[in-house]
Amino acid sequence: DTAVSQTPKYLVTQMGNDKSIKCEQNLGHDTMYWYKQDSKKFLKIMFSYNNKELIINETVPNRFSPKSPDKAHLNLHINSLELGDSAVYFCASSPTGLSGANVLTFGAGSRLTVL
Amino acid sequence: TQLLEQSPQFLSIQEGENLTVYCNSSSVFSSLQWYRQEPGEGPVLLVTVVTGGEVKKLKRLTFQFGDARKDSSLHITAAQPGDTGLYLCAGAPNFGNEKLTFGTGTRLTIIP
Repeated sequence: DTAVSQTPKYLVTQMGNDKSIKCEQNLGHDTMYWYKQDSKKFLKIMFSYNNKELIINETVPNRFSPKSPDKAHLNLHINSLELGDSAVYFCASSPTGLSGANVLTFGAGSRLTVL
Repeated sequence: TQLLEQSPQFLSIQEGENLTVYCNSSSVFSSLQWYRQEPGEGPVLLVTVVTGGEVKKLKRLTFQFGDARKDSSLHITAAQPGDTGLYLCAGAPNFGNEKLTFGTGTRLTIIP
């Protein structure tokens, strides 16, 4: 069973369209994330949810709207897609606790190409 | 903004050689993690170091956290083609803080 699964793996779309990427984790983790990896492989956090509550919201355009229906799911909806949105988007999850650093388990990524 | 600079950015060496990858910052981190990412996959955690000066070994990989908790290194002995991948360090500013900052990455290629 895949621990963190995201769909679709590839997404090619036209500028101006709206698209969604879905993510599910079966690890029982409380915290989920969306990261964006650009063409230079730099990985940057976009959002983090803990038990369905938004806890991190980096300076991401409000065209990006995460939604967490329950703690096992975190979806990413993107409105009015732009060329610069082309990237690989990674979903991740981690347990939340006081024992130390959070360890991330990543999905395989969703490559978004905006034409 | 906390930045983690990795060096070298690209490294291509022959199988059997040794190598070191560096991860440097001007900021202090409570812990530092190393991940390896293969093409078409997400990063996978290799190790977490939490104490200044800490050294951890994972088979042929040796990780060290700097005494001041601002830098880290990854040393690979007798590199093998299976070590090929993108290596990412990631720092946590505080314990339990979910906001990891990732390094700029080192793309390693081991030539058989």
